[in-house]
Amino acid sequence: NAGVTQTPKFQVLKTGQSMTLQCAQDMNHNSMYWYRQDPGMGLRLIYYSASEGTTDKGEVPNGYNVSRLNKREFSLRLESAAPSQTSVYFCASSPTGDGNTIYFGEGSWLTVV
Amino acid sequence: GEDVEQSLFLSVREGDSSVINCTYTDSSSTYLYWYKQEPGAGLQLLTYIFSNMDMKQDQRLTVLLNKKDKHLSLRIADTQTGDSAIYFCAEGNSGSARQLTFGSGTQLTVLP
Repeated sequence: NAGVTQTPKFQVLKTGQSMTLQCAQDMNHNSMYWYRQDPGMGLRLIYYSASEGTTDKGEVPNGYNVSRLNKREFSLRLESAAPSQTSVYFCASSPTGDGNTIYFGEGSWLTVV
Repeated sequence: GEDVEQSLFLSVREGDSSVINCTYTDSSSTYLYWYKQEPGAGLQLLTYIFSNMDMKQDQRLTVLLNKKDKHLSLRIADTQTGDSAIYFCAEGNSGSARQLTFGSGTQLTVLP
């Protein structure tokens, strides 16, 4: 019962470094999402992929890129990390794209110093 | 734009009822959700309600919707220590997960 798996769980980066957060789901879901969660705020959508081969910007896409490598995997890349990108990142997936069918990963804690 | 607001903290005694409140601004909201986030984990959907309903009950959970006042509440009966978590309210007008607007979450602490 893996569900949505994210790696790494914790990461510390220096300003200007790059890194990729990996996400994989084993539920054969069409849609996948990347969110960030900051203290005192709800989740905000960074990017999403409605289906394999498509990606679209969410509410806060600046400073990020994504790749929907195949139906299972959706990665989030920070090309030049900034302290403002210190956050908890959640990957999610859903079979239909509906809000009542979304499944979340356990989160990746990223600190940029 | 849309805005969803919740109080940040709530403490209750074990066995009491908890009521978590949420207000939203988008009058076209069609779907309203409650998610639970336990420490170190992702969000888990608890329940949702359509805007044409005013109440939904699911075991210990009761959702009340006042569409006129744009107010949503989640009542947890007989609150247990395992209910300690952050509860997020979210709204959407299409049902699409990519268009959800989340509140900032309410930290529920259940005291023994």
